[in-house]
Formats: sequence, structure tokens, C-alpha cells
Amino acid sequence: GAGVSQTPSNKVTEKGKYVELRCDPISGHTALYWYRQSLGQGPEFLIYFQGTGAADDSGLPNDRFFAVRPEGSVSTLKIQRTERGDSAVYLCASSPTGAGTGELFFGEGSRLTVL
Amino acid sequence: GENVEQHPSTLSVQEGDSAVIKCTYSDSASNYFPWYKQELGKRPQLIIDIRSNVGEKKDQRIAVTLNKTAKHFSLHITETQPEDSAVYFCAAKTGANNLFFGTGTRLTVIP
Repeated sequence: GAGVSQTPSNKVTEKGKYVELRCDPISGHTALYWYRQSLGQGPEFLIYFQGTGAADDSGLPNDRFFAVRPEGSVSTLKIQRTERGDSAVYLCASSPTGAGTGELFFGEGSRLTVL
Repeated sequence: GENVEQHPSTLSVQEGDSAVIKCTYSDSASNYFPWYKQELGKRPQLIIDIRSNVGEKKDQRIAVTLNKTAKHFSLHITETQPEDSAVYFCAAKTGANNLFFGTGTRLTVIP
């Protein structure tokens, strides 16, 4: 596609439920990043993939959060046993290369609301 | 990991005046410093970036300066216009290729 695509754009769920958020990066981009953005805050790093492997998952807040990128393209962020504090916009970004410098291209985000 | 601090959190300027936003970073191995603009409800978009081997870069009304010794970098917007109103984020990319963001500056340009 022309840009980074994220689905769903909005997700409302109940506390304790399981949620999956999907990111379809720009074709050919090897690096993929997940960020979480709360209202009035900067994007908070969660995890970074280079190809299929997680190059850095140090930003995942706890073991309820997990992300995969099995074929080096689409990625899914999975949140188990959601809590109200998980409510935020989850941003995905991709980059042509993870090596050296390079612009990150962001998707529109998935707004998660946990009731 | 990298710690990026950004000031001020809010900034109001009269149309036509200049705006300056400052950031500091902690990891001396960071080598790439982009600035993103985010309008309400929209995705962050890159407006300018600078690499660690350059001290200053300019693109029309926008300029960025980098002081590697002090680990400071700044965004300068001249001749501000109402459409410059948005939240601006600085970021620093570490040697491990991770990008960490500042907390943002909400710029309001008053017509």
C-alpha cells in the first residue's frame, strides 16, 4: 500500500479481554516499530522489529504485551488481560532500513479504550 | 535506554515571530535527531532531521541545530504562521537503531 496501515482504527473492550492490533507497513520496509501514545504525551517506545525478529522489546511494559512479525511484513501487537491503563493510541511505524539513520513513517494509529 | 527531554511543553507566539524548541538527550551514541509534527488526531510526520556529523540544517522557515558535546538540539521556526500550530516532538535514534521521543511541545501561533 501507499502508507502504513493500522487496524482497527478504534477498539473498545472490557477490562480483562484480549486484544490484537494489526500493522501493515510500507512494502519493502524492513524495520517496524510499535509505540504507545497517551493523551498529551510523546510516543512511548514498545518494540522494534528488524525483519522477522524483535531487535529490541525492552519497551514492552509487562508480559501481557507481545508482538509478532512472522513473515517480516505485517505485525500484530497482542495485549492479554487488558487493563484500563492500557487505554491509549497505539502507533506503528516502518522504515526502509533499521541500520543507521532513516525516517519513520507512521500509521494513523489504533485507539484502544479499555472500559 | 535513551532519555530525551523537551522544553517548553507549551509555546504561544504571535504570527510572524520565531519559535524555538529545545531538547536534550542522554546517550552519547545517538546519531540521528528527527523532529516530528503532529496535528490533532493525526499521525506524526517528519519535518526535518539532522545527523550527528552535522551542526545545523535548514529547510525554508525551519532549522535544526545540534550540539553533540552538550547533547542538545533545537528546532527553530521563523516567520510563524497559523498552520504551524501543532504538537512538535523531538527524537533521538540510538546506535541500536531505536528511536526515543521527547514529551512534545504544543505550539500555538496567534493570528
